Amino acid sequence: AQSVTQLDSHVSVSEGTPVLLRCNYSSSYSPSLFWYVQHPNKGLQLLLKYTSAATLVKGINGFEAEFKKSETSFHLTKPSAHMSDAAEYFCVVRLPYGGATNKLIFGTGTLLAVQP
Amino acid sequence: GAGVSQSPRYKVTKRGQDVALRCDPISGHVSLYWYRQALGQGPEFLTYFNYEAQQDKSGLPNDRFSAERPEGSISTLTIQRTEQRDSAMYRCASSLAWPGGGRDEQFFGPGTRLTVL
Repeated sequence: AQSVTQLDSHVSVSEGTPVLLRCNYSSSYSPSLFWYVQHPNKGLQLLLKYTSAATLVKGINGFEAEFKKSETSFHLTKPSAHMSDAAEYFCVVRLPYGGATNKLIFGTGTLLAVQP
Repeated sequence: GAGVSQSPRYKVTKRGQDVALRCDPISGHVSLYWYRQALGQGPEFLTYFNYEAQQDKSGLPNDRFSAERPEGSISTLTIQRTEQRDSAMYRCASSLAWPGGGRDEQFFGPGTRLTVL
């Protein structure tokens, strides 16, 4: 079965300091992995995706994530946090296409707070 | 261009009533998905369509839940005889292509917050 585990439900950083949001995945197949962000009263927005190309994936707003098969991890990072980064972040794995579906499996989310 | 829209944004209903939630996908998007998000949890898959055909409804919790997309564009998720446990955020997403079709990234709408009293 495919699943993702987000290791922290809440993370608080100071503006200008690095961000690290941790995610571990479980998959019987070579996974497709995503990070989505959810700002209050807005829809989920795709930050970045990994689909078996480069293991270091760059996304929008300065975020990036590294796929590490040996550690089954896909942690999200940003060198310097901005106040506008405060939001909820979801790590997501996608079921393989063999089942003719595009079903996304979401983690439970990490709420990022950015202190001035 | 316009993104995915959902209506109503908020719905309060009494237990036992039927509700219909609407999703208007991005124009030209082939696939449409419904998810349910309980408080403090990530979204959970309910069902999805390619054009008007319902391809996977494995996530629908029981037969009180149904969805349709009769003309391959707007979709309606219907919950009959609502129960308090149905209270959640219902999210819709659409993608330009069907699974494996390259541009199959899902774009999400703002959601409908359903509260069953």
